[in-house]
Amino acid sequence: GAGVSQTPSNKVTEKGKYVELRCDPISGHTALYWYRQSLGQGPEFLIYFQGTGAADDSGLPNDRFFAVRPEGSVSTLKIQRTERGDSAVYLCASSLPGHDSTDTQYFGPGTRLTVL
Amino acid sequence: DQQVKQNSPSLSVQEGRISILNCDYTNSMFDYFLWYKKYPAEGPTFLISISSIKDKNEDGRFTVFLNKSAKHLSLHIVPSQPGDSAVYFCAASEGYGQNFVFGPGTRLSVLP
Repeated sequence: GAGVSQTPSNKVTEKGKYVELRCDPISGHTALYWYRQSLGQGPEFLIYFQGTGAADDSGLPNDRFFAVRPEGSVSTLKIQRTERGDSAVYLCASSLPGHDSTDTQYFGPGTRLTVL
Repeated sequence: DQQVKQNSPSLSVQEGRISILNCDYTNSMFDYFLWYKKYPAEGPTFLISISSIKDKNEDGRFTVFLNKSAKHLSLHIVPSQPGDSAVYFCAASEGYGQNFVFGPGTRLSVLP
């Protein structure tokens, strides 16, 4: 079956602009995560959705970052007034939490954001 | 302060030999651990997991060992194959439905 997909695969923008990154999770997966990965580092948690609601948004770095998942499947990560430090690969993952905590997360290929 | 550490940024191993990747953590509340493998330009791929009620989990050529008292886990790959060359991330969570904290990764190179 189809895995997690993310669009666009690459996004180049100018400092101060607004960007939207899209994630299509695996069908039926109720949990959706956004991570950010900078060069040479592991993925850094941003936000976690269970269904339509954000269950944990403690990883969002500031109020320029916002994410939605209005119908419980597709999610959009929105970044306002982008800064050069926002440049990173943004990863989305989805999972189907089970009763035995084996909620393995399946990752998409990521969106590489470059802010000039 | 890094809660999940992978102190070896890179590792080279000869094909057919054992690869051992290490991971240390500081948060004693972590009770579920995963290893992911990542190829260039792709998202991380789940490899193997272990919960804190176990000290070993095996899946084919991959075995993960957990030492809770030392807050240490390791991934053993045997025999190593050139296709195993990738970046390996260790990740930990405090349990069901909690977000994962990732280590910085170890780049494994398996030489033919």
